[in-house]
Amino acid sequence: GQNIDQPTEMTATEGAIVQINCTYQTSGFNGLFWYQQHAGEAPTFLSYNVLDGLEEKGRFSSFLSRSKGYSYLLLKELQMKDSASYLCAVRDEGGSYIPTFGRGTSLIVHP
Amino acid sequence: EAGVAQSPRYKIIEKRQSVAFWCNPISGHATLYWYQQILGQGPKLLIQFQNNGVVDDSQLPKDRFSAERLKGVDSTLKIQPAKLEDSAVYLCASSLDRQGGREQYFGPGTRLTVT
Repeated sequence: GQNIDQPTEMTATEGAIVQINCTYQTSGFNGLFWYQQHAGEAPTFLSYNVLDGLEEKGRFSSFLSRSKGYSYLLLKELQMKDSASYLCAVRDEGGSYIPTFGRGTSLIVHP
Repeated sequence: EAGVAQSPRYKIIEKRQSVAFWCNPISGHATLYWYQQILGQGPKLLIQFQNNGVVDDSQLPKDRFSAERLKGVDSTLKIQPAKLEDSAVYLCASSLDRQGGREQYFGPGTRLTVT
């Protein structure tokens, strides 16, 4: 099974940098995803990590350490529209590749 | 490219009634997922299909929930009979396949309220 832990809520200022952490304990690992979900909307894909290291994509970066069961999502130059829930999802291995989502981190960006 | 379609968008029913949700995935996507998302929580996988076969339904309450994807394209999720705790958003998602860096594309969801 999977156990995924994220902070419930974070606040940050427009223009700043914020790091959202995700720790996981899994029976197997086959990739970690980050999704963004605005209130009342469906999740949308942000990033995918399967090897250790940093993946950068514009203002968003995602880091993975498989040995530590740890990932973070880094958001730079925060904008008001970045206020949303950020979901960490871990996929297991073993043929089914079942994705398990964390509870999500609600990020509030204020002026 | 059209996204994942779901209907209805909203549904209100009384407990013990039945309800069905429909999902049309992105064309060519072999893997289809149904999730239940309760307010304030992350999506919980109910069932995963690969083409028209079930890959995993370990978290599907089979005494009341059923799902099918007969021709490997559209899918329906049914609840019979509904309970108050079934109030949630039901999300359908699809991906090209279930391995590699294939992200999931989510539909707009169906918000179910059971009274």
